[in-house]
Amino acid sequence: EVQLVESGGGVVRPGGSLRLSCAASGFTFGDYGMSWVRQRPGKGLEWVSGTNWNGGSSNYADSVKGRFIMSRDNTKNSLYLQMNSLRAEDTAFYYCARGYADLYYFDYWGQGALVTVSS
Amino acid sequence: EIVLTQSPGTLSLSPGERATLSCRASQSISSYYLAWYQQKPGQAPRLLIYGASSRAAGIPDRFSGSGSGTDFSLTISRLEPEDFAVYYCQQYGHSPLFSFGPGTKVDIK
Repeated sequence: EVQLVESGGGVVRPGGSLRLSCAASGFTFGDYGMSWVRQRPGKGLEWVSGTNWNGGSSNYADSVKGRFIMSRDNTKNSLYLQMNSLRAEDTAFYYCARGYADLYYFDYWGQGALVTVSS
Repeated sequence: EIVLTQSPGTLSLSPGERATLSCRASQSISSYYLAWYQQKPGQAPRLLIYGASSRAAGIPDRFSGSGSGTDFSLTISRLEPEDFAVYYCQQYGHSPLFSFGPGTKVDIK
């Protein structure tokens, strides 16, 4: 059974940093591109970033470019999102999802991690 | 930048009725790159349809997708109680690399 489990969410002040992790199981992690998708409370879905199977190619939404860094460790079956210079508008549930430029869609999702940016 | 528009914003129907949801793109996209998701309150989205018309694993055949170019649709042939949710379309390939429509809420009439 494919499972994606996010961790690392919490409350952070504007300008602060936070690192999200996603632990993957139930499939060969290194065979798939992965993405982060966020959802502000009560709002729609926004793709944040994606990376290919080995982390050699990544892409970011304009809203987070230069502030967020996505990485992966295939030896640990883990995906990461380093979020810097956080703003109030970054407050959202962050979902880890399987899929990127290999699938063109997201076939499995984690349960989400809530990030709240507030003073 | 490509923009996806979904209509209607809310669809009020009764169980057993047919639901037809629309997704319109601001420019033509390959049907290969169009997907649909279902999201229930407090849950992560679930993939329903990819490639505009292919059902994802485990998705009942009452869900079907169609369309091409700029106009796509998701049809639920007979609504079951568990189908009342928000539905999103998603495209790949145009800047931004992935984008979602604003969603259509299907609620109980």
